[in-house]
Amino acid sequence: DSGVTQTPKHLITATGQRVTLRCSPRSGDLSVYWYQQSLDQGLQFLIQYYNGEERAKGNILERFSAQQFPDLHSELNLSSLELGDSALYFCASSGTSGGINEQFFGPGTRLTVL
Amino acid sequence: QQPVQSPQAVILREGEDAVINCSSSKALYSVHWYRQKHGEAPVFLMILLKGGEQKGHEKISASFNEKKQQSSLYLTASQLSYSGTYFCGTAISSGSARQLTFGSGTQLTVLP
Repeated sequence: DSGVTQTPKHLITATGQRVTLRCSPRSGDLSVYWYQQSLDQGLQFLIQYYNGEERAKGNILERFSAQQFPDLHSELNLSSLELGDSALYFCASSGTSGGINEQFFGPGTRLTVL
Repeated sequence: QQPVQSPQAVILREGEDAVINCSSSKALYSVHWYRQKHGEAPVFLMILLKGGEQKGHEKISASFNEKKQQSSLYLTASQLSYSGTYFCGTAISSGSARQLTFGSGTQLTVLP
């Protein structure tokens, strides 16, 4: 158990809908990262927050947005969903920003868009 | 830019050794190694920093050639539990955020 929690574990929805994925980092970690992993693919970095502020952006679609709240939990919002958005979405946390510490991954949210 | 991992897949017998390589075309600040079992979250194995510092599990060894921007993960006396997909993640030197870009993975299968 990494100490990172994600909810929900599974999400099934229809095209055009909007969903919110939630992540709580390990106690004390200030950085939260969101990754997308499509079937049998690698991890695609989406976005990073550090202590409430956006720190880095990767290949995140305009239909997707995220935020980190004062209690450090983070939410990833996916809107106007398409079939291709079906994937595992992982959240990870680390104590710092800057690639010098390990990232601890949550169990992921499996999103299925029908 | 995504780092390149090799080989894409490897099959071993228990007790055999394996090396997984990761290379980048950009100057790297750090290389991270993770193992992921099917349907599970990636698990941290090792981080290698520019300048020689390493952090990771005792039973895992790795190297980082800063001149060549290459890293190798060494799995010795493999066990069945080593099976999974190994990903390297690289953070480039420029910029303060240094987010990780992951390679496409190396699928390792250890047979009894």
